[in-house]
Amino acid sequence: AQSVTQLGSHVSVSEGALVLLRCNYSSSVPPYLFWYVQYPNQGLQLLLKYTSAATLVKGINGFEAEFKKSETSFHLTKPSAHMSDAAEYFCAVSGSNDYKLSFGAGTTVTVRA
Amino acid sequence: NAGVTQTPKFQVLKTGQSMTLQCAQDMNHEYMSWYRQDPGMGLRLIHYSVGAGITDQGEVPNGYNVSRSTTEDFPLRLLSAAPSQTSVYFCATSRAAEAFFGQGTRLTVV
Repeated sequence: AQSVTQLGSHVSVSEGALVLLRCNYSSSVPPYLFWYVQYPNQGLQLLLKYTSAATLVKGINGFEAEFKKSETSFHLTKPSAHMSDAAEYFCAVSGSNDYKLSFGAGTTVTVRA
Repeated sequence: NAGVTQTPKFQVLKTGQSMTLQCAQDMNHEYMSWYRQDPGMGLRLIHYSVGAGITDQGEVPNGYNVSRSTTEDFPLRLLSAAPSQTSVYFCATSRAAEAFFGQGTRLTVV
């Protein structure tokens, strides 16, 4: 069984500041890990994924995440926040041999001008 | 390519009514799934299908039925709607460890 925990349901950052969203996972098998973004009244869009290759994963819109097995973490970062980054972000995990996703509760990001 | 198309976008039902949420894809993906999204709970898997004729239950299947007669379509049926089924429903297809989501159906049961 797999699960993820996202620390912090709301994060507020200033434009130009670092964005850091935390995700810890629990998995009984080698995991695949994902970050998705959801804009208001939209579906989910994949930001990036870890599938057992490089531990530092780069995604779209300047986001990246690092897989740390020793810490069971997959935190998402972006060096400089933009107003367009305001959205809800979900961390998710699946097993490497199935497509069933287990999602965290989500973190809403607001960006202050 | 339309990707994953869900209809309707909005629906209000009375308790006890039944309805079908439609999901169609033109990506030729074998794997399809249904999730519900509730505040503070992320998305939870309702049912999934690994191909035409094959379906299985996810985390929260009670009160929902699915069938998969074609690769393209994966409808979700609410048998007797309850207020607890008020939610936003997302259909998704998956291939190569990537899921593609529809725009969602916002369902309110009164």
